[in-house]
Amino acid sequence: KAGVTQTPRYLIKTRGQQVTLSCSPISGHRSVSWYQQTPGQGLQFLFEYFSETQRNKGNFPGRFSGRQFSNSRSEMNVSTLELGDSALYLCASSSTSQGGIQYFGAGTRLSVL
Amino acid sequence: QKEVEQDPGPLSVPEGAIVSLNCTYSNSAFQYFMWYRQYSRKGPELLMYTYSSGNKEDGRFTAQVDKSSKYISLFIRDSQPSDSATYLCAFLVAGGYNKLIFGAGTRLAVHP
Repeated sequence: KAGVTQTPRYLIKTRGQQVTLSCSPISGHRSVSWYQQTPGQGLQFLFEYFSETQRNKGNFPGRFSGRQFSNSRSEMNVSTLELGDSALYLCASSSTSQGGIQYFGAGTRLSVL
Repeated sequence: QKEVEQDPGPLSVPEGAIVSLNCTYSNSAFQYFMWYRQYSRKGPELLMYTYSSGNKEDGRFTAQVDKSSKYISLFIRDSQPSDSATYLCAFLVAGGYNKLIFGAGTRLAVHP
């Protein structure tokens, strides 16, 4: 079974631009969660989608948004990029039958210049 | 007070040593307890998962949970250089819609 796939792996953007990151979950997993990882703040929860509905949201500004498609693939978008948005963005998928166990992708490393 | 406290290390040990990694937490609603391992430039990989107090063993790894003290530990026996990574404790509230709360991560280096 293929794991969680995130694209692209690396991105370089400039301040003020917007960016879209993509995540393909493990086949059969309907929940997709997004996290931001930085050296200063560690791993922080952004939001979670299940069957195309956002069920939970972390404490991030509205510039961070996401969506999930009917095939469970998910995208997250960051608008009006700031230098502080430079981070590793991780996607995780889980199955309802596995009680919250989340499997992570390799992440997208975003650098904002 | 932070919800989760984890010593960031770094921790440096010789090959073959027993490693003890620890996290304390303050949220009594945490019901699932996990340890993830993260190699450089990779995503976190689930190592251990438990929901009850006590010990759970898997090969060289033992996870220990003490709910009364709000304390979890991961023990690595016969540590190997390939165990060099960052270890993250993670917590989940039952019914919390998959919102994992992570510790800061402990960097471990096992030298030959």
